[in-house]
Amino acid sequence: DAKTTQPPSMDCAEGRAANLPCNHSTISGNEYVYWYRQIHSQGPQYIIHGLKNNETNEMASLIITEDRKSSTLILPHATLRDTAVYYCIVRVASNFGNEKLTFGTGTRLTIIP
Amino acid sequence: EPEVTQTPSHQVTQMGQEVILRCVPISNHLYFYWYRQILGQKVEFLVSFYNNEISEKSEIFDDQFSVERPDGSNFTLKIRSTKLEDSAMYFCASNGEPETQYFGPGTRLLVL
Repeated sequence: DAKTTQPPSMDCAEGRAANLPCNHSTISGNEYVYWYRQIHSQGPQYIIHGLKNNETNEMASLIITEDRKSSTLILPHATLRDTAVYYCIVRVASNFGNEKLTFGTGTRLTIIP
Repeated sequence: EPEVTQTPSHQVTQMGQEVILRCVPISNHLYFYWYRQILGQKVEFLVSFYNNEISEKSEIFDDQFSVERPDGSNFTLKIRSTKLEDSAMYFCASNGEPETQYFGPGTRLLVL
């Protein structure tokens, strides 16, 4: 799996949009970008994933650059409960459906009241 | 909404003892995983399991570890003879199709 680079920490004011960047310059054509978060020591929580196109769900939006070498996770209206470590993970789309996730150190996002 | 569950939430054991960590994956999922996270460190992959056999295992998953799907719902991780360095949070995950993995809340294992 390709490696990702994320800033170690970020702050965001409550109610504002949180924009979390991720670089994955060695991503291959068959690799997805996944975002998970981990609140304190809870289990990683799936947020969103994409291949080429921008994606949006009830939690967040994912913007992937045209060359796919970087992406941004957007939490549109951050709340205190969004304080967590956010992981950007590149994972191959396997025909067998059982590819492991390789976690990095992520970005520690702190929402400021 | 379906979710992965794990029991127990906390386990304290003596070094050398056997422990079994239990997971109930999401019911229609076919692929199962164990990960662990030592305090302050990254989440690390241990093993993946499909069709009643191990698909992939990491270097951490040595002969002291085993996994089993004893029935149609449970997925277990056994550590035969625990060491101090096995103290960690252990997370179970599962996915069906598509491939998004969903994680359980974890079991905090403390080896004394």
